[in-house]
Amino acid sequence: KAGVTQTPRYLIKTRGQQVTLSCSPISGHRSVSWYQQTPGQGLQFLFEYFSETQRNKGNFPGRFSGRQFSNSRSEMNVSTLELGDSALYLCASSWTGDQPQHFGDGTRLSIL
Amino acid sequence: GDSVTQMEGPVTLSEEAFLTINCTYTATGYPSLFWYVQYPGEGLQLLLKATKADDKGSNKGFEATYRKETTSFHLEKGSVQVSDSAVYFCALSGQGAQKLVFGQGTRLTINP
Repeated sequence: KAGVTQTPRYLIKTRGQQVTLSCSPISGHRSVSWYQQTPGQGLQFLFEYFSETQRNKGNFPGRFSGRQFSNSRSEMNVSTLELGDSALYLCASSWTGDQPQHFGDGTRLSIL
Repeated sequence: GDSVTQMEGPVTLSEEAFLTINCTYTATGYPSLFWYVQYPGEGLQLLLKATKADDKGSNKGFEATYRKETTSFHLEKGSVQVSDSAVYFCALSGQGAQKLVFGQGTRLTINP
């Protein structure tokens, strides 16, 4: 059974640009969550989607947004990139949002 | 709000030593508790979980017991191996929440 797939694995951007990250959940999972991992702040929750609806949102600025498609795949977008957005972005999926969540290997975003 | 506190690392042990990584939490109600492990260059893998007081989660020789009276979920293993070297995260999910709150992580290194 395929796990959670995140693309791309690595990205390099410059300040002011925008970026889109993609996540394909485990087949049958309808809940997708996103987390940001940095050395300073650790793992922080960004948002969670279920059946194309955002159900929960963390404490991040509006530059961070996401969406979910009818096949449960999800995308996360960050606009007007800042140096502090450099991080590992992790996607996790589960059947309904109840735990446990299964994580992908992440997208490492570097901002120059 | 909900929070998780883990013992600070890094932790360095010799092979076959006994491992304890402390984890305490603050949450309202009855959260579910988890330990996740992260190997270099990878995402998070669920190690074990417990969903109610006095539950013991176990997997691959690791154990943790949900102690509501001390709000703790300490991770233990009787005899560690070099392959256990990784970063370990304690996490909780509040009742009805669709997100994980993580501790800061503990880096474990096992020397042969």
